[in-house]
Amino acid sequence: GIQVEQSPPDLILQEGANSTLRCNFSDSVNNLQWFHQNPWGQLINLFYIPSGTKQNGRLSATTVATERYSLLYISSSQTTDSGVYFCAGGSQGNLIFGKGTKLSVKP
Amino acid sequence: GAVVSQHPSRVICKSGTSVKIECRSLDFQATTMFWYRQFPKKSLMLMATSNEGSKATYEQGVEKDKFLINHASLTLSTLTVTSAHPEDSSFYICSAPQQLGSYEQYFGPGTRLTVT
Repeated sequence: GIQVEQSPPDLILQEGANSTLRCNFSDSVNNLQWFHQNPWGQLINLFYIPSGTKQNGRLSATTVATERYSLLYISSSQTTDSGVYFCAGGSQGNLIFGKGTKLSVKP
Repeated sequence: GAVVSQHPSRVICKSGTSVKIECRSLDFQATTMFWYRQFPKKSLMLMATSNEGSKATYEQGVEKDKFLINHASLTLSTLTVTSAHPEDSSFYICSAPQQLGSYEQYFGPGTRLTVT
């Protein structure tokens, strides 16, 4: 099955800093999403991005489908950005998740 | 975004009993829903695909007789953990695509199961 690798596993930032999270896939996917899991466990949809680039406020994402990776950019990070970020992808509706990046933004 | 609800949000049960978890799509219909489980500080693992009006499709290693899935309507899928044991304690999360033919998934808030 598809393997999903996320890096880095942990990231500590000072408030205001920028960061890039990466997701590599072992095989092609036609379904790719980025999520932020809040402290209560709810997965918040950030991007549905099987290819191309999208932006939403301070967040943006780029997927290069031919090279099987996706990047999530966080600019001007805030303490409220802290939490675990997951990427997930698949060939149909189901999603295979990476292990996540735990982000801590310090004031 | 689409709203998916789960009930209960948390449940504690004794070993040997069965627990039913509901997943509802509140403002859309879903012919397919997905069930995941998450252990503490771990990633989400896909358990099964719930298909409205037909049998669920289970991932390798997931016991179908242990985790019974019923998708009786276009807005409701249920996961029943039968004869629960402490190792079944986990965070169970469901998801559904908002639109027919769409792959984008929306997730419920999860159900935390503790088996004593």
